[in-house]
Amino acid sequence: DGGITQSPKYLFRKEGQNVTLSCEQNLNHDAMYWYRQDPGQGLRLIYYSQIVNDFQKGDIAEGYSVSREKKESFPLTVTSAQKNPTAFYLCASSRSQMASGANVLTFGAGSRLTVL
Amino acid sequence: DAKTTQPNSMESNEEEPVHLPCNHSTISGTDYIHWYRQLPSQGPEYVIHGLTSNVNNRMASLAIAEDRKSSTLILHRATLRDAAVYYCILRDVFLGGSQGNLIFGKGTKLSVKP
Repeated sequence: DGGITQSPKYLFRKEGQNVTLSCEQNLNHDAMYWYRQDPGQGLRLIYYSQIVNDFQKGDIAEGYSVSREKKESFPLTVTSAQKNPTAFYLCASSRSQMASGANVLTFGAGSRLTVL
Repeated sequence: DAKTTQPNSMESNEEEPVHLPCNHSTISGTDYIHWYRQLPSQGPEYVIHGLTSNVNNRMASLAIAEDRKSSTLILHRATLRDAAVYYCILRDVFLGGSQGNLIFGKGTKLSVKP
C-alpha cells in the first residue's frame, strides 16, 4: 500500500544535540512538507519542497534544516539552534504543490520528539 | 489569506448525525474548502473537499452555502472512531509558493458519546 513512513515514532534528545527525523513516501508525489504541532494547537509549516533539490522555508523554519536529494525522501534535522524542539512532527506529501487547490495532502503518523 | 472559524468543541451521540460548521466569510472565488481530521496521536487524514457544489464521499458530506461564506461537514452516523479534531481549511487554486500551503487552525474537537 502507498503511504508515508515517518521514523522514529518517538525520540528523546539531550539539549544541544542535533536529531534527524526521517520521512519516506512511495506515492510518487512531487511535493513534501514538514509541520510541527504543539499540544492543543494546529499545525505550523516548517519547510516544504516542490521538486527534488529544491525546498522553501515555511512559517517557523528557524532552527531546522531539510534536504530533498530524492523524490521519495524529505528528512528534517532539528538543530541545537531550535529553542523549544519538544513537539509532534508531521510529514506530508501531495501530487503537486503548485498545480491545484484541489490537491490533497497525505500525512505520515508523526514523530514525537522530547528534549530532556 | 482567507481564514476559517470553527467552534472549539462539539459533542455528539453515537449513531446520530453530526453537523460541523465552518465560517469563511472572506473566501475568494478560487478557494477550495478542505476538511481534514486528526485522531489522537496520529497525523491528519483527508476527509473531503469542494469548491461550489455539495460533495459526498464514503466518509462524509460537505454542504457549501450558496454564497460560499460557510460550509458544514456532515457525518451521517457518528461512531466512536469519529472522535477527532476536525479542521476546515481553504486552499486557493491559483496560488503557488507558500500561499498555496494549507494553513491549519485549531479545528473542532468532536467527542462522541456511546
